[in-house]
Amino acid sequence: GENVEQHPSTLSVQEGDSAVIKCTYSDSASNYFPWYKQELGKRPQLIIDIRSNVGEKKDQRIAVTLNKTAKHFSLHITETQPEDSAVYFCAAGPRTTGNQFYFGTGTSLTVIP
Amino acid sequence: DAGITQSPRHKVTETGTPVTLRCHQTENHRYMYWYRQDPGHGLRLIHYSYGVKDTDKGEVSDGYSVSRSKTEDFLLTLESATSSQTSVYFCAIRIFDREYSGNTIYFGEGSWLTVV
Repeated sequence: GENVEQHPSTLSVQEGDSAVIKCTYSDSASNYFPWYKQELGKRPQLIIDIRSNVGEKKDQRIAVTLNKTAKHFSLHITETQPEDSAVYFCAAGPRTTGNQFYFGTGTSLTVIP
Repeated sequence: DAGITQSPRHKVTETGTPVTLRCHQTENHRYMYWYRQDPGHGLRLIHYSYGVKDTDKGEVSDGYSVSRSKTEDFLLTLESATSSQTSVYFCAIRIFDREYSGNTIYFGEGSWLTVV
């Protein structure tokens, strides 16, 4: 099965700085890579995703990049704000077929005002 | 919230007792999942279902069973709860989301289970 590794496990940044979270995956058949944000006591919520035929995708202050050859993908948050503080999970899985999504172990991001 | 509700949301139970968690969806989605979340381990798949009476094991299925007798309900049962099963349990459904151009997972609000 797929193995998704995520780094770092914790990350602290000053408000306004950028944050980068990196994930690697093992199964070359994976072609869909969503990112989830989980606030304390809440459910994980999808914030952005990328599919394998796209190298980069942006949505306001967040962006994801994918290097399919190297099997790694990253989440970039620019101009961080205190409300960005949360746990972020990456995942890998099939875009349209197959049954399972595999998650990384999470990154706890703290934005210091 | 993608029409997912979990019950109970919080439960404390004793070691050795059976526990059933319920996941209910209102939108007739085929795929449903049970994950557990523990510090340092992220979200790990316990069991999933791809239709009525069609289920399969995930990566941490030992000590758990599931049933899906109708599309809208996916039940997770701990036959004899142990302290190692103290966790947060998330149900999820898979939706083909046109905005995100593919299948994606939406989670329920979670069920906090403590086994004492």
